[in-house]
Amino acid sequence: DGGITQSPKYLFRKEGQNVTLSCEQNLNHDAMYWYRQDPGQGLRLIYYSQIVNDFQKGDIAEGYSVSREKKESFPLTVTSAQKNPTAFYLCASMRTLPPEAFFGQGTRLTVV
Amino acid sequence: GDSVTQMEGPVTLSEEAFLTINCTYTATGYPSLFWYVQYPGEGLQLLLKATKADDKGSNKGFEATYRKETTSFHLEKGSVQVSDSAVYFCALTLTGGTSYGKLTFGQGTILTVHP
Repeated sequence: DGGITQSPKYLFRKEGQNVTLSCEQNLNHDAMYWYRQDPGQGLRLIYYSQIVNDFQKGDIAEGYSVSREKKESFPLTVTSAQKNPTAFYLCASMRTLPPEAFFGQGTRLTVV
Repeated sequence: GDSVTQMEGPVTLSEEAFLTINCTYTATGYPSLFWYVQYPGEGLQLLLKATKADDKGSNKGFEATYRKETTSFHLEKGSVQVSDSAVYFCALTLTGGTSYGKLTFGQGTILTVHP
């Protein structure tokens, strides 16, 4: 079955560490997105990529980095510069026509 | 910029009650509109969508109509079930330009249905 796979489901980070969240899709979609979700809030866009080897900052990119070397993969690195990284992270890809976003199951990151 | 405003929650209903969750939007172009549902600890699932004015999206007893004149996309269900308890998000995406594919979300509405 086609879909979005995020891993790991739970991730714990120590202060000062960088961690990388994986996102893989087999839907053959060009566009992929990373969102952050905090309790009681909607989803906020971190980074997005509309084509391989290109990506753009979203609304809250500070303290995060991404790469898009393959169409199928869009990993997100949470760097030590991100002051409040504890959150639920969601990856998505977008079908063009008709427009529809497909989401992974999310990664819950906790700073310990 | 583009934005989505949902009615504030949480919403608590008894089983078989009527549900309405209000959603209004502002957009610079011609958006497609969506309702997504999120169950505890999971990602988002598409519930329904509408891509042009006056379209009605429907799925699993839920309905929403794209009203351009009132810039609204209210979610309704005639008889809710306990299994409908979840968080519901209204969202839009523009169908062209550099913002294409970027989803703008409302803040989400928590629905709890009691037996």
